Amino acid sequence: AQRVTQPEKLLSVFKGAPVELKCNYSYSGSPELFWYVQYSRQRLQLLLRHISRESIKGFTADLNKGETSFHLKKPFAQEEDSAMYYCALSGSGNTGKLIFGQGTTLQVKP
Amino acid sequence: GAVVSQHPSRVICKSGTSVKIECRSLDFQATTMFWYRQFPKQSLMLMATSNEGSKATYEQGVEKDKFLINHASLTLSTLTVTSAHPEDSSFYICSARSPGQGNTEAFFGQGTRLTVV
Repeated sequence: AQRVTQPEKLLSVFKGAPVELKCNYSYSGSPELFWYVQYSRQRLQLLLRHISRESIKGFTADLNKGETSFHLKKPFAQEEDSAMYYCALSGSGNTGKLIFGQGTTLQVKP
Repeated sequence: GAVVSQHPSRVICKSGTSVKIECRSLDFQATTMFWYRQFPKQSLMLMATSNEGSKATYEQGVEKDKFLINHASLTLSTLTVTSAHPEDSSFYICSARSPGQGNTEAFFGQGTRLTVV
């Protein structure tokens, strides 16, 4: 079964501290993994995708197929990073469907 | 980036009535759109895939007669919640993939808060 698991509902850190939002997935093929972010009172938007292998707003995420993980990391958190983060999976077959994790609220304290 | 717009952003209706929610891709054509439902403090749950010119594909457990989807044009999909009940109260979000090959970026509407009283 396709599943995305984000074990932490809330992650609270101080400004400047490193951040790691965990994401594990279950999929029997070769999925594509994404991180979406939702800032307060805004719509969901794409943060990054594993095939791009890029850093957006200082965030990176590496797909680890052995551990079936796609953790999101940032070395130094900023207050403006406070938001809801969703890990999502899109399966093979190009259906375009996204399976979302439960979401993690990141709270960066001054 | 591309823009997806939902209307209305908030609606309150009486139990037993039907409510229509529109999802438009404003600056691109979307042959496929997706409808999600989000309960408070929970994740987005895919309800159905809306296909332009053909029947929608519903996820397991989603009643197709309850949640009617119409995708009559390349820029508009509608979700009608029929005979709404208080348990249908939720946040409904649509998304559309930008044109291109492979898994292109999904753009999301701002969501519609439905309250059934």
